Amino acid sequence: SQQGEEDPQALSIQEGENATMNCSYKTSINNLQWYRQNSGRGLVHLILIRSNEREKHSGRLRVTLDTSKKSSSLLITASRAADTASYFCAPNTGNQFYFGTGTSLTVIP
Amino acid sequence: GAVVSQHPSRVICKSGTSVKIECRSLDFQATTMFWYRQFPKQSLMLMATSNEGSKATYEQGVEKDKFLINHASLTLSTLTVTSAHPEDSSFYICSAPKGAATDQPQHFGDGTRLSIL
Repeated sequence: SQQGEEDPQALSIQEGENATMNCSYKTSINNLQWYRQNSGRGLVHLILIRSNEREKHSGRLRVTLDTSKKSSSLLITASRAADTASYFCAPNTGNQFYFGTGTSLTVIP
Repeated sequence: GAVVSQHPSRVICKSGTSVKIECRSLDFQATTMFWYRQFPKQSLMLMATSNEGSKATYEQGVEKDKFLINHASLTLSTLTVTSAHPEDSSFYICSAPKGAATDQPQHFGDGTRLSIL
């Protein structure tokens, strides 16, 4: 399967804490992307990391990629209540996107 | 930034009705668009890849006669749920990459909540 699998399924933290979500996949990829979905809305692209990159930063987001382990992690630092959403990874082989079940993040004010 | 508009946002209709959902790329051309279906608290399930000027590519298990896709222009793809039944009730979302490469970031519409009575 080309699908990404996120872990944990649900995560609840206090505002200001860091949140870490993990993604595992099974096939070779061109890149891996992380998306965010607020309840009842479409997905918003957060960050893309290419297969030859190991780490990437964007604001409070940090993404790592380990192609040997076929895994990625998304770290959100200094979380805010507005970060409450579902987060999906999407391993991309160049043709389509197959999303996992996501991590539901709740940030408690 | 790239914007994808999806319309309508919500549809409630009787069983047997056909429902058309539109997906438009507002500030870029999209030769490829993707249609997804999402059940509550579940992931997005890729239904089909919509290709401008040619037939859509459907994922295994998705009935092409049930879910008609038309990508008539570089900015518009439509999904028609024909003779909808309660089991077709779901959240349908479209997306498009900004650019020719399908491995680029996807820009998503805000989804259509379809409820069949």
